[in-house]
Formats: sequence, structure tokens, C-alpha cells
Amino acid sequence: KAGVTQTPRYLIKTRGQQVTLSCSPISGHRSVSWYQQTPGQGLQFLFEYFSETQRNKGNFPGRFSGRQFSNSRSEMNVSTLELGDSALYLCASSLALSGSSYEQYFGPGTRLTVT
Amino acid sequence: GQQVMQIPQYQHVQEGEDFTTYCNSSTTLSNIQWYKQRPGGHPVFLIQLVKSGEVKKQKRLTFQFGEAKKNSSLHITATQTTDVGTYFCAGPGATSNTGKLIFGQGTTLQVKP
Repeated sequence: KAGVTQTPRYLIKTRGQQVTLSCSPISGHRSVSWYQQTPGQGLQFLFEYFSETQRNKGNFPGRFSGRQFSNSRSEMNVSTLELGDSALYLCASSLALSGSSYEQYFGPGTRLTVT
Repeated sequence: GQQVMQIPQYQHVQEGEDFTTYCNSSTTLSNIQWYKQRPGGHPVFLIQLVKSGEVKKQKRLTFQFGEAKKNSSLHITATQTTDVGTYFCAGPGATSNTGKLIFGQGTTLQVKP
């Protein structure tokens, strides 16, 4: 079956702009988690959605938000972009909540560059 | 808050040498997962350990879950250039089944041919 897809794959934005990233999970997966990855910082958890509800949230400012639709597709939005938001944004889908015993399947990521 | 720590952060080895990365949690884990991220790629699930003292092997990779279920290790025997990448361990948050998956910082392995 098809894997996790993320669009766009690459994005260049200017400081102060906003951006919306999209993630389509594997068919049948109801959990979508978002991570920010920067060199040397590992995988920083942003938030997790399950059945259209945010279930967990990481320590990121309110400029970072997300939502999940009834078909489990998820979007994350970053408003008022800052240079430090430049990163690889990964989403991962799973059959159940990420803290359960189900593995996560990651998408290829969206590389965001803020200039 | 709950933390998952990995050491070392980086490891350079000569091809054919062994490699081990260690993962330590500040709390007892119900399970632990391991992922590998190749350069330029995304994390890919390798394995999950559930039982205390569990040992699982995948070809040259050996995964171990500690008796107290607070630590884990990944050992690669006779490394190859295909082993290059970052290895992450991850465990569920304190409120398992509702909490998030907490990732370690990862160990980046470089293999010199």
C-alpha cells in the first residue's frame, strides 16, 4: 500500500510569512504526528492528532498549529515565520496513538527554508 | 519531564569494526522502538522490544531491552558502509497508550571504507 506522503517537499519562505504543510497518512492509519528536525536537535515533537482531535502537544510556540480532517489527512501551519523555523518537518502515521505499541511510518518530509 | 537519552551522539568506525549505541530512559518503558534514518532520508522503523531482558537479532544487528526496562542497546557486528545513518530509540511517554512517543537524540554512525 502507499506510504505516507507529504507536500510540498521543498519550500522557501520569507520571514513573517506563513506556511501550510500537508501530510497524507497510510490508508487506515488514524494517528498523525508531526516532528521538527534540525541538525543536532534530533526529532522535536510538535503535536499528534487522532480522529481529528489533538491528543498531544510538544513545547512549541502558538505560531505552530495543526489540524486533522475526517479522512485522517493532516495539515500543520506556521505563522509569522522566523529564521529558526528552517528545518525538515516530518509527519508520521500510525494505527493508534504514538505512545502505544504500534510503529510509526514516516513521510519523506518537507524541507522548509526561511530567508 | 520524561527523557530518553542516547550515547554516543556520533561514532566513526572503520568498516568491519563493531558499533554499539545505548539508550536510557528516566522512567520504565512499556516498550522501546528503534529507527534508522539514512542521510537525506526519513526515519524507518527497525524493531520493537517489549519484554524485560528481551534480545532480538536482525542479521548483524542485535537489539537488547534491559531487565529494568529503562535502557536498551543496539549492537552492529562488522559494520558495513550501508550501516551509515542515524539510529534513534523511542519510548512511550509516561501515560502509555495516550502519551506521545519520545525519541532519543540519536546516534550518527559514520563508516570509513
